[in-house]
Formats: sequence, C-alpha cells, structure tokens
Amino acid sequence: GQQLNQSPQSMFIQEGEDVSMNCTSSSIFNTWLWYKQEPGEGPVLLIALYKAGELTSNGRLTAQFGITRKDSFLNISASIPSDVGIYFCAGRTLTGNQFYFGTGTSLTVIP
Amino acid sequence: GAVVSQHPSWVICKSGTSVKIECRSLDFQATTMFWYRQFPKQSLMLMATSNEGSKATYEQGVEKDKFLINHASLTLSTLTVTSAHPEDSSFYICSARVGYDNSPLHFGNGTRLTVT
Repeated sequence: GQQLNQSPQSMFIQEGEDVSMNCTSSSIFNTWLWYKQEPGEGPVLLIALYKAGELTSNGRLTAQFGITRKDSFLNISASIPSDVGIYFCAGRTLTGNQFYFGTGTSLTVIP
Repeated sequence: GAVVSQHPSWVICKSGTSVKIECRSLDFQATTMFWYRQFPKQSLMLMATSNEGSKATYEQGVEKDKFLINHASLTLSTLTVTSAHPEDSSFYICSARVGYDNSPLHFGNGTRLTVT
C-alpha cells in the first residue's frame, strides 16, 4: 500500500499554543482527509480536502491541500486540553479506491 | 448522519476459535466498506475492501482465508477471523463512505480482539 509520512511524530505543547503538522506522500493524491483518534475509539473525521491549494477550516482547525498534491497540512490554533489525541492524515490516489493512512502525530496539551 | 456501528467493541477468544465482527452503516447505504487493523501506537493498515454483492479485495500480505469478509447487504459487512492466534490480537476498525468515491470515510468505534 501507499506510505504516508506524518511529521512530527509527537508534540508536547502548552495550552493556548498553535500546532502545525504535515503529511507527505510519494504519490499524487486527489483527496486528503484529516482525522483525530482517541484511545480505544475509531478515528473521527475533522476536515476533507479535494482540490490542490484548497484551504478549509473547521473551528480552530485549518487544513490545506498542497499544491504539488503530494502533501497536506493541518494547523490547530489556540490549543486546549481536549485537543489531545492522535491525528492522522489519509489520502486517496487518482486511480485508487482506497484511503491510506499516515503514521500519525500524537498531540499532548499541557494545561 | 453517516454513523457506522461496529460490534462487538471487544472480544476475548481462545486460540483456534473464530470470531466474527460486524460493521453496519446505520443511516446510509454503503456499497463499499473498508477494514483496517491497528496495532498499539501505530497507524491504521488497510486490510481489505469489502464490496457489496461481490468478493472482497485484499491488500498484499493479508490472508483472505484467514480474514473472511462478507458484504451481504448495503448496510452490513462482516469480518471473520478464522482459527485465531495470539498474533491476531489487534484493534480492528471498519469504515464506510457515503456516495461517491471521493467522499470521506466514516469509522466505527473499533473492535479490540484479544486471543489467548
């Protein structure tokens, strides 16, 4: 399957700080998704991106579909304790039917 | 909307037995569902694509005789782990999408399988 690399692998930040993470692939994708997963639960969809250059927000979260179509970025502004979790990107190639997941970014917010 | 329900949420079984996990789309029809496996602190690995009314498509390295998938209706896919062994212990998560190919995946809450 496809390999998506997420960076950073983990983050420890103070409450109120902004967070940035990214996801890169070796293939061109036509869809990027960002999910958050909490322990023992399935991932929950945060943002979906469908077009190169697209910038989409969901509350304090903003994600962008990279111009090269091989990367995507997620920003969280003014982090709060409930932002804690693992954030995954997922991508779908031009010809594929499946979504492949990134390696995940573990976020810890220190009150 | 777009609720996916998975059952059971956890199961413990003895080595050599088989376990069935159900995935249901509660408020939409899903011609395609996806089964993922996740080890602790790792990413989701796609196991197979479940297609309503036809055979599942398995990812490379996934044994189709070991992980039997049935998608008998537009709202139900099942994954059966046959002759389970301790190394099959994992978190299994299903997902489904509403409508067209590019629509996002919606996930169930996962099933924690422990094989003793």
